[in-house]
Amino acid sequence: GDSVTQMEGPVTLSEEAFLTINCTYTATGYPSLFWYVQYPGEGLQLLLKATKADDKGSNKGFEATYRKETTSFHLEKGSVQVSDSAVYFCALSEVTGGGNKLTFGTGTQLKVEL
Amino acid sequence: DVKVTQSSRYLVKRTGEKVFLECVQDMDHENMFWYRQDPGLGLRLIYFSYDVKMKEKGDIPEGYSVSREKKERFSLILESASTNQTSMYLCASRRAGVPGTGELFFGEGSRLTVL
Repeated sequence: GDSVTQMEGPVTLSEEAFLTINCTYTATGYPSLFWYVQYPGEGLQLLLKATKADDKGSNKGFEATYRKETTSFHLEKGSVQVSDSAVYFCALSEVTGGGNKLTFGTGTQLKVEL
Repeated sequence: DVKVTQSSRYLVKRTGEKVFLECVQDMDHENMFWYRQDPGLGLRLIYFSYDVKMKEKGDIPEGYSVSREKKERFSLILESASTNQTSMYLCASRRAGVPGTGELFFGEGSRLTVL
């Protein structure tokens, strides 16, 4: 079945550091890929998405590129802030075969310190 | 602003009790979902509903049931709560159309402790 593998956390960075959170996936079809973020005490919210190979999703300074050849969708940000501290989830949704549900990774906690 | 509201943020129940978790969305979305979130396991889908009175089992439906009598409301039921159902429960909704690209909107979660 479909699966998503994320790097384990927590990831601890200093403010203004460069962030990469790795995500790889396994899927039989042509999935759409997502990054969701969960701030402390809140539900998940969509951060960015990409629906086909080579698409780049971006939002709030975060970026991720859909790489079909390496089945990856790594999240990056050039300069993190304390307010980016949260749990980040990579997810996929199959476009074919119904695909009415998302498969999530286990989440990566990011802590940004001054 | 779109909103998914879960009625209880924190619940403490005893083993064997019947537990209802309620979720209401105000976006007229057709699809609704119940996930549980556990450390190291991420989000796992319990049940989902395409539309009113329709439901589908997710990846871990055992010990749970659901009800969708109205479009805006999706209830998760634990018929006889057990300690291994202690978890964070997340409700989400999505507009029907193109499942592969549609954004999920989540509630804030209900943290259930079963003693």
